[in-house]
Amino acid sequence: GAVVSQHPSWVICKSGTSVKIECRSLDFQATTMFWYRQFPKQSLMLMATSNEGSKATYEQGVEKDKFLINHASLTLSTLTVTSAHPEDSSFYICSARVREREQFFGPGTRLTVL
Amino acid sequence: GQNIDQPTEMTATEGAIVQINCTYQTSGFNGLFWYQQHAGEAPTFLSYNVLDGLEEKGRFSSFLSRSKGYSYLLLKELQMKDSASYLCAPLDSNYQLIWGAGTKLIIKP
Repeated sequence: GAVVSQHPSWVICKSGTSVKIECRSLDFQATTMFWYRQFPKQSLMLMATSNEGSKATYEQGVEKDKFLINHASLTLSTLTVTSAHPEDSSFYICSARVREREQFFGPGTRLTVL
Repeated sequence: GQNIDQPTEMTATEGAIVQINCTYQTSGFNGLFWYQQHAGEAPTFLSYNVLDGLEEKGRFSSFLSRSKGYSYLLLKELQMKDSASYLCAPLDSNYQLIWGAGTKLIIKP
């Protein structure tokens, strides 16, 4: 199957700093990537849909100025958590859509904000 | 609205068979995925059903009934490594996955 990587795997930062998470499709081109957040024992929550070359579509309740998404190429999307606070600590997962139906997930990034 | 209903937790014995049920309501339907998620890891693909019936893949099988909004995942010859959460995720009319909280499966020796 298609391989999606994320970097970093985990990050610890101080409150108020910004953190960038990269999502790459390694062996295919992905016109659409998705960013999810998952709190412990909860379901995956879609944050935004990222389309190459255009602005991301954010889900209701997700602050677009806080969670900046850039999908500059067909193999890379980035999520920047700006001015992170402890409540932003979570497991962030990206996925890339290969065809209309298939989505392949990255390994996730665990963010801890102190 | 869109809704997924799965049992929160199930327990089974190593070597046995377990069936995890899922009922769903979505705006449109373009198939249903089952994913496995181990603690602290991202989901991994198990199966995809778009037509009614049973899809078998090794120890795992998945069934779909579109008219009933129902699917199940059947796991045979359970192994300890099968302890994980199992997520039922239908694809809506916009080809977006709709996620529930999943079913935590505990395998006991």
